[in-house]
Formats: sequence, structure tokens, C-alpha cells
Amino acid sequence: AQKVTQAQTEISVVEKEDVTLDCVYETRDTTYYLFWYKQPPSGELVFLIRRNSFDEQNEISGRYSWNFQKSTSSFNFTITASQVVDSAVYFCALSYNYGQNFVFGPGTRLSVLP
Amino acid sequence: ETGVTQSPTHLIKTRGQQVTLRCSSQSGHNTVSWYQQALGQGPQFIFQYYREEENGRGNFPPRFSGLQFPNYSSELNVNALELDDSALYLCASSLGSLLAVGELFFGEGSRLTVL
Repeated sequence: AQKVTQAQTEISVVEKEDVTLDCVYETRDTTYYLFWYKQPPSGELVFLIRRNSFDEQNEISGRYSWNFQKSTSSFNFTITASQVVDSAVYFCALSYNYGQNFVFGPGTRLSVLP
Repeated sequence: ETGVTQSPTHLIKTRGQQVTLRCSSQSGHNTVSWYQQALGQGPQFIFQYYREEENGRGNFPPRFSGLQFPNYSSELNVNALELDDSALYLCASSLGSLLAVGELFFGEGSRLTVL
């Protein structure tokens, strides 16, 4: 079965702390895509990153970084020096079956306190 | 802004009625997918259209149906509404191919309440 698990339901940190959001996925496909999305209180899902299954390079974009490890089926997301504006629900998602199916994780609600 | 627009933004229906939700995709995008997001949960994939053909479907009954038009805009139709259909319905557009998945750009959603 295809599945995305985000074990952390809610996380609270104080501004400027680093925080890592965990994502574990299950799929039998060898070709698949992984995504992270941010959903602020306004409700619109904002694209953060897409990674295909053949690209295990870690990526850094400003304060954001992603660690993709196929050996543990994980695609974790770290925010460095968190800011209040980072407060949102973050979703990890898996696209499989050559992009014909998607599954989202349940989300992690991040609260960054001033 | 993603360039993906959905209408209506809010609507209220009663059980048994039918509803049509609309989505205009971002310019140049050929793929549209629809999701149902219940309160406090992650989006659930309903189906996807690529160049006017349905090419992927999640675990939703046949009363959820859709269309994609030549300009790549799309409709989601839900017949025989049930109380559990109350949710935020999200549309996402992307530039994809049969083998590759593009970045999904989401609209702000249509919030459906079924009484």
C-alpha cells in the first residue's frame, strides 16, 4: 500500500530555534515523487519542494533544507532559525504510479512562538 | 498567487443535491487534479485529468466525476451529496506528461457544507 506518515501532529518552537519535520513514506514503485507543501492559516497550499526517487541529493533553499534517504524511506524537512511566519501546517506527499496517484500525509502543525 | 482560481469559494447544499465546482488552471498547465480536505486532515486525492482524459483516480465513489476542457480548465461534480462530503475541495494544476509529475500549484479551494 502507498502511504505517507507524519508522526508529529503538532510542534511548538520558539523563534530562532531549528525544527525538523519528519516524513516516512511507503510505496512499491521504484519511480515516484515526493513533495512538501505548506498550508498557512489562509488555507492555500504552497509548494516547497519536489524530489524524484532517483535524486537522493539533499537540498538547501535559504532557511529550508531537505534530507531524502531511500534506505529509511524518509524525506525530512528542516527549518533553520524559525520565524513566526513559518507557523503553518506542513504536508508531505507522495506521487506514484507514474504520477497518476497522489497520497498526502496527515500534516504537522508547526507553531513558532515569538 | 499561483494563478489557479476556483469557484465558488463557499457554498451550502442539502443532502441529496448535486454540486459543480470549477477550476481554472495556471496558463500553460495541461494537468488538473482534485482533492478533498476534511477539517484537520490532509488532502485526499480524488482524480486527475491530463489533456482532457482522466488518468488517475483515488478511492472515491462514482458519484464524484469530473471534466477537463480544451482550455484545460476543469469541473468537479458530486451527485447525491452526503453529510460527509462537507469539506474543502482543492484543485491543483501542473505541467506534466504521462511519465513525469510537475509541481502542483493549488487554488484557494471551494468550501462545501452539506446540511
